[in-house]
Amino acid sequence: GNSVTQMEGPVTLSEEAFLTINCTYTATGYPSLFWYVQYPGEGLQLLLKATKADDKGSNKGFEATYRKETTSFHLEKGSVQVSDSAVYFCAAYNNAGNMLTFGGGTRLMVKP
Amino acid sequence: DAGVIQSPRHEVTEMGQEVTLRCKPISGHDYLFWYRQTMMRGLELLIYFNNNVPIDDSGMPEDRFSAKMPNASFSTLKIQPSEPRDSAVYFCASSPRTGKPDTQYFGPGTRLTVL
Repeated sequence: GNSVTQMEGPVTLSEEAFLTINCTYTATGYPSLFWYVQYPGEGLQLLLKATKADDKGSNKGFEATYRKETTSFHLEKGSVQVSDSAVYFCAAYNNAGNMLTFGGGTRLMVKP
Repeated sequence: DAGVIQSPRHEVTEMGQEVTLRCKPISGHDYLFWYRQTMMRGLELLIYFNNNVPIDDSGMPEDRFSAKMPNASFSTLKIQPSEPRDSAVYFCASSPRTGKPDTQYFGPGTRLTVL
């Protein structure tokens, strides 16, 4: 099956700083890749996704590019806001098992 | 649409008691998933259903846990008897795509505390 590894947090940034959260995966074949976000006290929400190599997913200023050669799907944002403070989960979809495999989550804290 | 609905939002119970968590998926979704989230183990898939049929329950911790989906609009996760180590946030999620449930919509979760 798939496995997903994320950088451990927490990641603490000042407002307007550049964000990178690293994510790598191992999988058979070419899984679809996702970033989900969990705000305090809420369930996970889909942030963005990419379904094939070199695809770029983007939403709300966040983006991630599916890199087959490095098996990575790093999340980036050029200028973070306090409201971006949340836990971010990278995930890979296993076509064979119909399951999403989640990474451990990375907590982002943005200070004013 | 109201999204995935879970109840209760918070549950506090004593060890040995039966606990039932409830979920109403988004109307028209074919898949339903139950997850458990803890600090130590992160997000774990417990079981998932397709068209009300359990497909994979390999994540269910032990016989104390059971899940049912009697119809397309309702599912339950039951723990009997409950233990302190069951304390966690339990999420239900549903997915709209038959054959490829790669995008999931999560409910707000039920925070369970077993004393």
